[in-house]
Amino acid sequence: DAKTTQPPSMDCAEGRAANLPCNHSTISGNEYVYWYRQIHSQGPQYIIHGLKNNETNEMASLIITEDRKSSTLILPHATLRDTAVYYCIVRVGSTNAGKSTFGDGTTLTVKP
Amino acid sequence: EAGVVQSPRYKIIEKKQPVAFWCNPISGHNTLYWYRQNLGQGPELLIRYENEEAVDDSQLPKDRFSAERLKGVDSTLKIQPAELGDSAVYLCASSPLGLAGGKEQFFGPGTRLTVL
Repeated sequence: DAKTTQPPSMDCAEGRAANLPCNHSTISGNEYVYWYRQIHSQGPQYIIHGLKNNETNEMASLIITEDRKSSTLILPHATLRDTAVYYCIVRVGSTNAGKSTFGDGTTLTVKP
Repeated sequence: EAGVVQSPRYKIIEKKQPVAFWCNPISGHNTLYWYRQNLGQGPELLIRYENEEAVDDSQLPKDRFSAERLKGVDSTLKIQPAELGDSAVYLCASSPLGLAGGKEQFFGPGTRLTVL
């Protein structure tokens, strides 16, 4: 599975959009981009995933560049409860194969 | 619907003692994962099961770690003997088999192991 690079930490003001970047320059054509988050003392929680097109759900939006070498997770109106570690991973999505290497993620702190 | 259940939530043992963790995945999920998460780091995959078969255990330290999923449902991860460096959170996750497309994983709350 491809490796990802994320900034170790970011701050965001409550109510503003949080934009979390992820680089995955070695991504393969059959690998999906997944985002998870982990709130303190809980297991990781799935947020969103995509292959080529931008995706949106009730939690967030995922913007994937045309060359698929990077992506951005957008939380449109961050709240204090969005404070968490956010993980970007890439893995083959058509099966459950792959190691889903999480890396160390980005610690997002939403401030009042 | 119940999520992934893990027990115990916390375990404190002395080094060289054995310890076991239990996981019950979401009903109908054929794939089960065990991860280890060290403080300040992301989860690291230890083993993945498809039904009762361990299909990826390349990251499992086999000298002291073992896992089983005898009936393809719940699973047990064991450490014997435990070492100080095994202190971590052990996470279980599950996901469904099925058609092509992304397959998200559903994680349990984890078991926090402290080895003294």
